[in-house]
Amino acid sequence: AQTVTQSQPEMSVQEAETVTLSCTYDTSESDYYLFWYKQPPSRQMILVIRQEAYKQQNATENRFSVNFQKAAKSFSLKISDSQLGDAAMYFCAYKGETSGSRLTFGEGTQLTVNP
Amino acid sequence: NAGVMQNPRHLVRRRGQEARLRCSPMKGHSHVYWYRQLPEEGLKFMVYLQKENIIDESGMPKERFSAEFPKEGPSILRIQQVVRGDSAAYFCASSPIVGTPIGGETQYFGPGTRLLVL
Repeated sequence: AQTVTQSQPEMSVQEAETVTLSCTYDTSESDYYLFWYKQPPSRQMILVIRQEAYKQQNATENRFSVNFQKAAKSFSLKISDSQLGDAAMYFCAYKGETSGSRLTFGEGTQLTVNP
Repeated sequence: NAGVMQNPRHLVRRRGQEARLRCSPMKGHSHVYWYRQLPEEGLKFMVYLQKENIIDESGMPKERFSAEFPKEGPSILRIQQVVRGDSAAYFCASSPIVGTPIGGETQYFGPGTRLLVL
């Protein structure tokens, strides 16, 4: 079974600084997708960024980018120029070919942004 | 384009009562997923449905839980005879699925229903 591990329960960053959230996963599949979702205090799940495993180029969405290391099964999220509104719980998620359409989530990293 | 709608947003039930959670997918989406989030935990998959079909219910508890997605109307997650351990946030997500072998389309989440069992 696939597993997703987020080893940092909590992280903090100063406003305007850069922070990296870690995620590793375990899978024997060759084709899969990886996602980062954000859950602010409102508890809404918001898609931040996604990465297709067959693409070598790291995905980027404005201030958010990923470092996808397929061989190491690592998928970290970098947030540049952090803003107060980035404060949230961040979840890494995996979706593979044999797991059908389900998403497998990590336990989350609580990000605090200090003014 | 309205997002995924869930109602109610908050639901309080006493032990032994029934809980009905509703989810309307995004316009153009015909695939619905239900996830449960226990306090201080990540989301756990429960069930995946298409119109009038349950595709994967491997994450559903064997008893008291059921889900449907009728031809008309929202998807319903039903919990019979609720117990305190059912207290959680229940999220619905939808996707269009475009037919690649892996599916691949992103799942878009609703705001969730917070169920509290007294």
